[in-house]
Amino acid sequence: DAGVIQSPRHEVTEMGQEVTLRCKPISGHNSLFWYRQTMMRGLELLIYFNNNVPIDDSGMPEDRFSAKMPNASFSTLKIQPSEPRDSAVYFCASTLSGRERTQYFGPGTRLTVL
Amino acid sequence: RKEVEQDPGPFNVPEGATVAFNCTYSNSASQSFFWYRQDCRKEPKLLMSVYSSGNEDGRFTAQLNRASQYISLLIRDSKLSDSATYLCVVNAVGNTPLVFGKGTRLSVIA
Repeated sequence: DAGVIQSPRHEVTEMGQEVTLRCKPISGHNSLFWYRQTMMRGLELLIYFNNNVPIDDSGMPEDRFSAKMPNASFSTLKIQPSEPRDSAVYFCASTLSGRERTQYFGPGTRLTVL
Repeated sequence: RKEVEQDPGPFNVPEGATVAFNCTYSNSASQSFFWYRQDCRKEPKLLMSVYSSGNEDGRFTAQLNRASQYISLLIRDSKLSDSATYLCVVNAVGNTPLVFGKGTRLSVIA
């Protein structure tokens, strides 16, 4: 299995631009999570989906952030407009809901907003 | 109080040393516990689950104390390759998401 796939791996953009991050979960997994990691705040959960349905988006910083999961094999996280404080590593993770709850992370997207 | 608290370190230890990390969690309803490892500029990966009776995987031993809401990870005979950040992770009841600590950084020095 290829594992969780994220693209792009690196993104450098200017303040005000739209940024779209992409994630392909592990085939068969039915839960998907978007995280943001910074030195100051650690790993923060932004939003998660079960069976393609958004369950909890309380971690999304503000309306500039939005996430979609149109099908079981694809999700996007969009930031519009981007700001320098959005600079972070964004991870996508997937799991098969159940007792064990092991999450498998993608390699992350390192976002820099100038 | 943060949901999962860890000493951020760094812990700088010589090769061969034994090192222990501790973690406390605030939600007494938590049911699942894990240690994840994150290498520099990489994604977190599951190191081991933590069971009530304690469990061992080679040089790594994890312990859980539910009464004190405390989890530990012991690494014996440290290797240079053990250098990483170790994340304490807790899950409450049902399908609620995992909660990650900020991690403890370990540097094993030759």
